[in-house]
Amino acid sequence: AQSVSQHNHHVILSEAASLELGCNYSYGGTVNLFWYVQYPGQHLQLLLKYFSGDPLVKGIKGFEAEFIKSKFSFNLRKPSVQWSDTAEYFCAVRGNEKLTFGTGTRLTIIP
Amino acid sequence: DAGITQSPRHKVTETGTPVTLRCHQTENHRYMYWYRQDPGHGLRLIHYSYGVKDTDKGEVSDGYSVSRSKTEDFLLTLESATSSQTSVYFCAITERGGNYGYTFGSGTRLTVV
Repeated sequence: AQSVSQHNHHVILSEAASLELGCNYSYGGTVNLFWYVQYPGQHLQLLLKYFSGDPLVKGIKGFEAEFIKSKFSFNLRKPSVQWSDTAEYFCAVRGNEKLTFGTGTRLTIIP
Repeated sequence: DAGITQSPRHKVTETGTPVTLRCHQTENHRYMYWYRQDPGHGLRLIHYSYGVKDTDKGEVSDGYSVSRSKTEDFLLTLESATSSQTSVYFCAITERGGNYGYTFGSGTRLTVV
């Protein structure tokens, strides 16, 4: 069975700071990896996804993630965060047509 | 998101009563999922469907049943609601294979009192 670990439960940053959120997964087969964002009171929206090819994936709103197979990691990055990035971020792995989520990281950006 | 709707959006029910949540899609996607979201747990899979009348359990299926009699509708039923089932429930859809992501509904906030 697959699993996902997000080690940062709550991250607080000032505007313009750089962001990196950790994600490690466990799955024995070919992985598809995702990052979703959930703004307060809203549903999940896809930030980016990795299926194959270039391990550096660029998503919406200036986010990117790097798939490192040897480390079973798929960390999310953004060079300069904005107050509007305040949200909860979920890493997920797909295996056997099931999507498994990490417990999420709450990101708070201080103006 | 366009193409997937959940109903109701909010519901308060009493312990021991049956509750049915509906997920409706217009995308003709084969796969449909029910998740619950709770603080500190992220989203956990309850049940999923890989076709009409084809369903399977997820990691937190106890106390829940599902039905899918047609492609567009996936129903989640709490046979006898308990306070531990107070949660936000999300439906998701996807198509198999290819570079498909998952699309989520807007959620149903269920409170069991």
